This record gives sequence, structure tokens and C-alpha cells, in this order.
Amino acid sequence: NAGVTQTPKFRVLKTGQSMTLLCAQDMNHEYMYWYRQDPGMGLRLIHYSVGEGTTAKGEVPDGYNVSRLKKQNFLLGLESAAPSQTSVYFCASSYGTDSNQPQHFGDGTRLSIL
Amino acid sequence: GNSVTQMEGPVTLSEEAFLTINCTYTATGYPSLFWYVQYPGEGLQLLLKATKADDKGSNKGFEATYRKETTSFHLEKGSVQVSDSAVYFCALEGASGYSTLTFGKGTMLLVSP
Repeated sequence: NAGVTQTPKFRVLKTGQSMTLLCAQDMNHEYMYWYRQDPGMGLRLIHYSVGEGTTAKGEVPDGYNVSRLKKQNFLLGLESAAPSQTSVYFCASSYGTDSNQPQHFGDGTRLSIL
Repeated sequence: GNSVTQMEGPVTLSEEAFLTINCTYTATGYPSLFWYVQYPGEGLQLLLKATKADDKGSNKGFEATYRKETTSFHLEKGSVQVSDSAVYFCALEGASGYSTLTFGKGTMLLVSP
């Protein structure tokens, strides 16, 4: 029972490089989310998706793009990485808006931008 | 907008001590409230939740009561263990719109034997 799987787990990039973080869930969840976690800041929502083919901006969307081409996958892209994007990124998924359907989190991707 | 304020850590306790981590919130309407726990190197896990005023969420010996009058959702445990060492996040889900969570900054708990 994999739940939410994030790849890669660690990555180091140079400023200006691009990369894509992959999130995959096997729970048939409709909703998927990308957060970043920074020291003393808690988790902040970057983008989210309420279903296949949909995306929406969260609290801190600038510098990121996302795609949800398949229900089970949610990709987070950095087109031109900046040091300010050094963070731990978490993906989550849930069935829907009902609070009885909590979000399930992956183990995170630690990204360093030099 | 919605916001969550937690007490700053780290909170350092000896095993079997009583734990309280304060959480207050600002939101319109009647949000749902959650406590998540993050163990080292892992993602967040739902610890407990409450969906309406005066509800008490509980799990693994932890409890929190949804207090509308004080806009609070404080986390308590009567006797902590070393294995409870983790970062605890208070969060709310707005009463309207999609299921997006607003998190507090997290409180680190360190329990020594």
C-alpha cells in the first residue's frame, strides 16, 4: 500500500536549471496538492488540483508550474530554479472537500538550489 | 483570510510529563480543525481532528477540543513518551471553497527519558 510517493527524494540544482518533481498516489483521490516547508514557516500551499486536467494557484505559486494529466499523478515544475526555492516539498492527496477525508502526505523532496 | 498561530518551540519535556501545545485560529464561519504530526524524515500524518464547536478529537492519547468562544484547539497529552518527539502542526480547513489547509508554523516537541 504505497499511498503517496514522491520522486526524487533529494536533488541539488544550480540557479537557472529546470526540473520536475513527481507525485503519484494509488488511492484514487480526486484532490492533489503541492506544499513547501521552510524553517519557521510551516507548510504553504503552492498549487493544487481538484481533478484530472485541473490546476489552481495556492498561497505561493510564483516560479512554479503544475500539471495533472493523469488522475494519479501531479507534477510540480521549476522552469528556472532560484536559491529562494530551496525547500522541502510535500505532495498530498485527498478524496475531496469533506473534512472526513483528510489529506495524505508523501515523505517529501528535499531540494537545494545553489 | 484564514490563519493559525501556534506556540513556538521547541517544547522540551521529560518522559511522563503533561503536554500542552497551544493553537489559536482566525477564520470566517466554522472551519474544521486538525492536528498533524511529522516524525523526523517523514511526511505529515493526521493525528486528530474536530469539525464543529465543542467536538473533542482524540488519538494515541492526544486530545484537543474545538473551542469556538476562544478560537482555540490546544493539543494535550497526559503522559508523553520519547516516541512522541516530533513536530506538531495545527491546521484549519475553511468552511467554504475547496479542501485547502492553512497550517501553523509547527511546534517541535522533544521528550527525554
